[in-house]
Amino acid sequence: GAGVSQSPSNKVTEKGKDVELRCDPISGHTALYWYRQSLGQGLEFLIYFQGNSAPDKSGLPSDRFSAERTGGSVSTLTIQRTQQEDSAVYLCASSLAMGQGVNGYTFGSGTRLTVV
Amino acid sequence: SQKIEQNSEALNIQEGKTATLTCNYTNYSPAYLQWYRQDPGRGPVFLLLIRENEKEKRKERLKVTFDTTLKQSLFHITASQPADSATYLCAVRPGYSSASKIIFGSGTRLSIRP
Repeated sequence: GAGVSQSPSNKVTEKGKDVELRCDPISGHTALYWYRQSLGQGLEFLIYFQGNSAPDKSGLPSDRFSAERTGGSVSTLTIQRTQQEDSAVYLCASSLAMGQGVNGYTFGSGTRLTVV
Repeated sequence: SQKIEQNSEALNIQEGKTATLTCNYTNYSPAYLQWYRQDPGRGPVFLLLIRENEKEKRKERLKVTFDTTLKQSLFHITASQPADSATYLCAVRPGYSSASKIIFGSGTRLSIRP
């Protein structure tokens, strides 16, 4: 697509439920990143994909968080047994290749997750 | 510990003046540093990149400087306009070869008043 698309744009869920957040990167971008942004805070790195593999999962906060990418394109971030501290905006970005941030990352508009 | 620090207080500037935003980093040796703009409800948008061996980079009304001795980057907007009001984020690409991601500061909110 022309840009990075994320869905849903907003998600309200009850504590303890599982949620899935979707990211559709720019066509041809092999690198895909998930970040989390809490209110008034910077972006917190979660996980990075090169193709379908995730060489860097170092930012995932707990084992309740997982992500996958299929076909080198769409990625899904899953949060199991959501907690109130999971409330944040989840941002996805893509770039042409690993480390190729020289042209910057292209971000989606994010999914605002609210756990009640 | 590794940190990227930006002014947490909002910066209020009169239209037409030059806005200067600061990004300081500790315990990084960046391969490059990037600046992004973020509007409310939107993802960050890439503006400029400056490499470790560059002192200054310009793009239209934007200018970025990079001082690896001071471990600081300055971001300037000349002839500022109300449409420049946004949050500006700096981001560091660590210099170690295995680095696969960029690390963001928390941003500075800029407000340009008419």
